[in-house]
Amino acid sequence: GNSVTQMEGPVTLSEEAFLTINCTYTATGYPSLFWYVQYPGEGLQLLLKATKADDKGSNKGFEATYRKETTSFHLEKGSVQVSDSAVYFCALSDQWSNAGKSTFGDGTTLTVKP
Amino acid sequence: DVKVTQSSRYLVKRTGEKVFLECVQDMDHENMFWYRQDPGLGLRLIYFSYDVKMKEKGDIPEGYSVSREKKERFSLILESASTNQTSMYLCASSPAGTGALETQYFGPGTRLLVL
Repeated sequence: GNSVTQMEGPVTLSEEAFLTINCTYTATGYPSLFWYVQYPGEGLQLLLKATKADDKGSNKGFEATYRKETTSFHLEKGSVQVSDSAVYFCALSDQWSNAGKSTFGDGTTLTVKP
Repeated sequence: DVKVTQSSRYLVKRTGEKVFLECVQDMDHENMFWYRQDPGLGLRLIYFSYDVKMKEKGDIPEGYSVSREKKERFSLILESASTNQTSMYLCASSPAGTGALETQYFGPGTRLLVL
């Protein structure tokens, strides 16, 4: 079956530091890959996605590249801000999934300190 | 913008009570999902629905049921609440189409405490 493994948290960084959150996956088909973000007290919202190998998703200064050879989709940001403090979820959706079911990682909590 | 609303942000119930969690989406999405979120366990799919009156079990359906009588509304029912169902419950929806490409849109969540 499908699975997503995320880097364990929590992660604490100083403002303007470089961020990497690792994500690797196992899938039987040709998945699309997603990063969702959950700010305190809110539901999840899409941060970025990539639908095929070598695609790069980007949004709000965050980037992730779909690497089929290493089955990875690591999230990066060059300079984090306090407002980036949130929980980040890596997810995949397989083209064969019924009704667009997604498989989520366990989430990584990021805290950015001023 | 897609909006997914959940009937309550916080609920406190007693063991054995029947609990209804309601979710409404306003973008005519075919697919709707119920997850629970627990520390260290991420999101786990309870049930999902891809059409009115259609439902399928997710990864952890035990102790739950669902109802989808109208396209915009998806209800999660705890027939007899237990303390191990204390959790954050998240509803999501997505359009039909190429399943793998579709983003899920989430509600704000309902934090349920069962005493």
